[in-house]
Amino acid sequence: GDSVTQMEGPVTLSEEAFLTINCTYTATGYPSLFWYVQYPGEGLQLLLKATKADDKGSNKGFEATYRKETTSFHLEKGSVQVSDSAVYFCALSEIAMRFGAGTRLTVKP
Amino acid sequence: DSGVTQTPKHLITATGQRVTLRCSPRSGDLSVYWYQQSLDQGLQFLIQYYNGEERAKGNILERFSAQQFPDLHSELNLSSLELGDSALYFCASSVIGGSGGYNEQFFGPGTRLTVL
Repeated sequence: GDSVTQMEGPVTLSEEAFLTINCTYTATGYPSLFWYVQYPGEGLQLLLKATKADDKGSNKGFEATYRKETTSFHLEKGSVQVSDSAVYFCALSEIAMRFGAGTRLTVKP
Repeated sequence: DSGVTQTPKHLITATGQRVTLRCSPRSGDLSVYWYQQSLDQGLQFLIQYYNGEERAKGNILERFSAQQFPDLHSELNLSSLELGDSALYFCASSVIGGSGGYNEQFFGPGTRLTVL
């Protein structure tokens, strides 16, 4: 079945550092791809999405490009802030969301 | 605020007991999904309802059941609880029930269940 694999954490960065969280997927069709973020003690919030190959999703300085040739949807941000500390989940959409294991990001001042 | 509400926020109960978790979807959303988040299993899809009908099943145990009512709120019933059922249970809603980009799901804050 379809699946999502994302880089294991935790990831610890200094403020203003560049962030990449890798995500690859396996799918028989052409799913939509998502990044969700979970802040401490909260539910999941949609961060960005892409619905077809070569689409770039972006939000709050985060970006991810749907790469069909490499079956990837890596999350990037040019300059992270302490407030970006959270758990990030890559997901693909079937009937329900199929999530990766999550990557915990800690940004230090 | 996603517009999805869940009650209660926390629930503490004993093994063998039965509990009911409640979810109200965003206004206008017809689909409700239940997910379980645990440390060892990650985020797992349990079940989906669309406009009152069961639409899809994931890794839902037989001891668990759900329903969606005419006003579109949903309840997840967990019975004969075991220690391993302790987890965060999320509800999500979407406008329609299909796959793809139109299936953007909005998550509630979750119910933390602790089974002692």
